[in-house]
Amino acid sequence: QVQLVESGGGLVKPGGSLRLSCAASGFTVSDSYMSWIRQAPGKGLAWVSYISSRGSTIYYADSVKGRFTISRDNAKNSLYLQMNSLRVEDTAVYYCARGVLGVHYFDFWGQGTLVTVSS
Amino acid sequence: SYKLTQPPSVSVSPGQTATIFCSGDNLGDKFVSWYQQKPGQSPVLVIYQDAKRPSGIPARFSGSNSGNTAPLTISGTQVLDEADYYCQAWDSSSSSVVFGGGTKLTVL
Repeated sequence: QVQLVESGGGLVKPGGSLRLSCAASGFTVSDSYMSWIRQAPGKGLAWVSYISSRGSTIYYADSVKGRFTISRDNAKNSLYLQMNSLRVEDTAVYYCARGVLGVHYFDFWGQGTLVTVSS
Repeated sequence: SYKLTQPPSVSVSPGQTATIFCSGDNLGDKFVSWYQQKPGQSPVLVIYQDAKRPSGIPARFSGSNSGNTAPLTISGTQVLDEADYYCQAWDSSSSSVVFGGGTKLTVL
């Protein structure tokens, strides 16, 4: 069955960096669009970034553009999010999700990993 | 940038019909999906492509989309349906994914 397991979250100081991982099983990440979506404490869902199945198309939300980088390792069947220059407002639970019809909708989500940016 | 608007909260009595609206400019031209999120859990897809239900989602969940509004309807609402609900669409003009602000459904 399809499963997504995120890891790599933690406490980091403003200006610091963190790399999130999302290990997929039950399907091949290179066959799907994959996305990172975050949720600040007590707030709603916010899209962060997505990568196409071929890896040739990548988009970022304006709030993270230039600071975050999405990538994929087909051999490890995993998705990553490199987060640099972190800000307090980046504090959130980060979910990876599998996109369908591109990213028209997301049919499977991971359990999320918490990133806390605080001094 | 494209925006989806939802009411912050909706209340319904058990057994009644709950309707949560999602609105956006020419929303009917886009595909809308809906997600249910219970406290401490990940979102779950309940409606995709405006009106389709994933396997395992009860038939009491239905959706539609026309004009500027996409309603999510829950018929015969049960206490276990109490959750936050988010609408979502893909904005082709900016190639970005957009979520509504979320609606807290209270069943009491």
